[in-house]
Amino acid sequence: ETGVTQTPRHLVMGMTNKKSLKCEQHLGHNAMYWYKQSAKKPLELMFVYSLEERVENNSVPSRFSPECPNSSHLFLHLHTLQPEDSALYLCASTPTRASTFYEQYFGPGTRLTVT
Amino acid sequence: KNQVEQSPQSLIILEGKNCTLQCNYTVSPFSNLRWYKQDTGRGPVSLTIMTFSENTKSNGRYTATLDADTKQSSLHITASQLSDSASYICVVSARGSNYQLIWGAGTKLIIKP
Repeated sequence: ETGVTQTPRHLVMGMTNKKSLKCEQHLGHNAMYWYKQSAKKPLELMFVYSLEERVENNSVPSRFSPECPNSSHLFLHLHTLQPEDSALYLCASTPTRASTFYEQYFGPGTRLTVT
Repeated sequence: KNQVEQSPQSLIILEGKNCTLQCNYTVSPFSNLRWYKQDTGRGPVSLTIMTFSENTKSNGRYTATLDADTKQSSLHITASQLSDSASYICVVSARGSNYQLIWGAGTKLIIKP
């Protein structure tokens, strides 16, 4: 394990449901990230939090709502999703402030299927 | 436009054989280049990080090379094992890009016994 955990590992939800993805890092890092990975496509950065403050939002639809209550936990709240939102959602963390200089540590991901 | 392109898209080799994966990028100004290994259903795990001044970096049976002039990198796997079956992703960052990493789509490698 990389020290970053994600729950649930698999999630199937209807378009009218509301669900949340959870990420927890046990590495003492201060920056956390949400990525979307669709089949045969590069990872897409969704949100970045540095010391619990959102510092990046890559034009993500409002049906995705992030929450970072402290530096160890990150949530992604989902509502009224579309089938094209089906993907692997990955959480990552870096040691200090959010930066491309540091190695990112990833969780195992949540496989989301929207029906 | 900053882009990272990887080839081949997929590759099948026999256990024990060597292979080389390619990465071409157009990211500028360059900061660093990473190779990640991603097992099916898991998150990516870093193999190497290379800066401008590094031409070669090894991690066990994995050797990455970087040619900053031609903007090309390769990942060479020696004496492949079944556990090497995974997607290998090339990632490049630009100086001053803050949080943005430019990700390749990956090469899916299958090792057959």
